[in-house]
Amino acid sequence: GAGVSQSPRYKVAKRGQDVALRCDPISGHVSLFWYQQALGQGPEFLTYFQNEAQLDKSGLPSDRFFAERPEGSVSTLKIQRTQQEDSAVYLCASSLPRSYEQYFGPGTRLTVT
Amino acid sequence: QQQVKQSPQSLIVQKGGIPIINCAYENTAFDYFPWYQQFPGKGPALLIAIRPDVSEKKEGRFTISFNKSAKQFSLHIMDSQPGDSATYFCAASNSGGGADGLTFGKGTHLIIQP
Repeated sequence: GAGVSQSPRYKVAKRGQDVALRCDPISGHVSLFWYQQALGQGPEFLTYFQNEAQLDKSGLPSDRFFAERPEGSVSTLKIQRTQQEDSAVYLCASSLPRSYEQYFGPGTRLTVT
Repeated sequence: QQQVKQSPQSLIVQKGGIPIINCAYENTAFDYFPWYQQFPGKGPALLIAIRPDVSEKKEGRFTISFNKSAKQFSLHIMDSQPGDSATYFCAASNSGGGADGLTFGKGTHLIIQP
């Protein structure tokens, strides 16, 4: 079956613009995670959903970051008023119920100019 | 505060050698320890994972060794091949009975020379 897919794969935004990044998890995976990976660093946790409920958003770096998963499947990470420090790869991962194994998508590379 | 410390930052090994990557953690509540492999332009791919109730786990050419008292774990790659050249990340989480966000190390850039 298909893995986790993310779109767009690349996004260039001017400072101050809003962006929306999409994640399609593996079918049947109720848990969905967003991570931010700066160049040359490990991924850092942003937020976690179980179905449509956002159970943990402790990693979101500011109130400019917002994530949603209204129907418990596709998720969108929105960044308002982008700043240069937001430039990174944004990774989405999903997992089965009661499983610790997280499967990652290819990521969206965001460049803020 | 870096909760998972990974070393070395980079590693060069000859084909057939056994690269070893080490990680140390601080949070004693962590109870799930995966290793991920990442190629340029790709997302991390799960390689192997261990829970703290065992000291070693093998899957193919990959072995995790786990030392609970020292709060350390390591990845060994047997009979390494040039195709194993990638960045490797250790991670940890506190499952608490359900899924949880992973805390990653900073990564090890591994090169296997032919």
